[in-house]
Amino acid sequence: AQTVTQSQPEMSVQEAETVTLSCTYDTSESNYYLFWYKQPPSRQMILVIRQEAYKQQNATENRFSVNFQKAAKSFSLKISDSQLGDTAMYFCAFSGPSYNFNKFYFGSGTKLNVKP
Amino acid sequence: DAGITQSPRYKITETGRQVTLMCHQTWSHSYMFWYRQDLGHGLRLIYYSAAADITDKGEVPDGYVVSRSKTENFPLTLESATRSQTSVYFCASRTGVQETQYFGPGTRLLVL
Repeated sequence: AQTVTQSQPEMSVQEAETVTLSCTYDTSESNYYLFWYKQPPSRQMILVIRQEAYKQQNATENRFSVNFQKAAKSFSLKISDSQLGDTAMYFCAFSGPSYNFNKFYFGSGTKLNVKP
Repeated sequence: DAGITQSPRYKITETGRQVTLMCHQTWSHSYMFWYRQDLGHGLRLIYYSAAADITDKGEVPDGYVVSRSKTENFPLTLESATRSQTSVYFCASRTGVQETQYFGPGTRLLVL
């Protein structure tokens, strides 16, 4: 089974600054997907960004970018110019193996607090 | 545009009772999923469905039953609820195997 580990239960950042959330995963597969989801206090799960393992280029979505290190099995999320609305739980997730992308595995989450 | 809805949003039940959580999506997405969210575990996949009448187990299926007679509905049944099934349950759907999942608002279940 695949596993996803988020080693930072909680982090804080000042508004307008940059913060990086860490995620590592364990798999023997070569083709898979990785995701970062945001869960604000409303509990709605919102996709932030996703990365396909066979693509070497790191995904970016506006202020959000990832550092995907396939050999190291690392998938960190960088949030630039942090905003108060970024305060939320962030979950890293893995989808695979390649013959079943319907199997999703989530990390335990990192609670991000953006301070004014 | 209702998207994906879950009902009830909150439910209190007693140990041993049968409980059914409903999930309905208006997009005609092929794939639907049920997760539970517990402190310290993130989300864990219970069951998923690739189409009507096609379902498969996820990571934590024990104690749960699903069915999918219609594309838009994916109910989750706890046949005999236990305290360990107290959790927040999320339904999700997506169009294709490589597409984004969209989540419902969640159902908070308390088993006494």
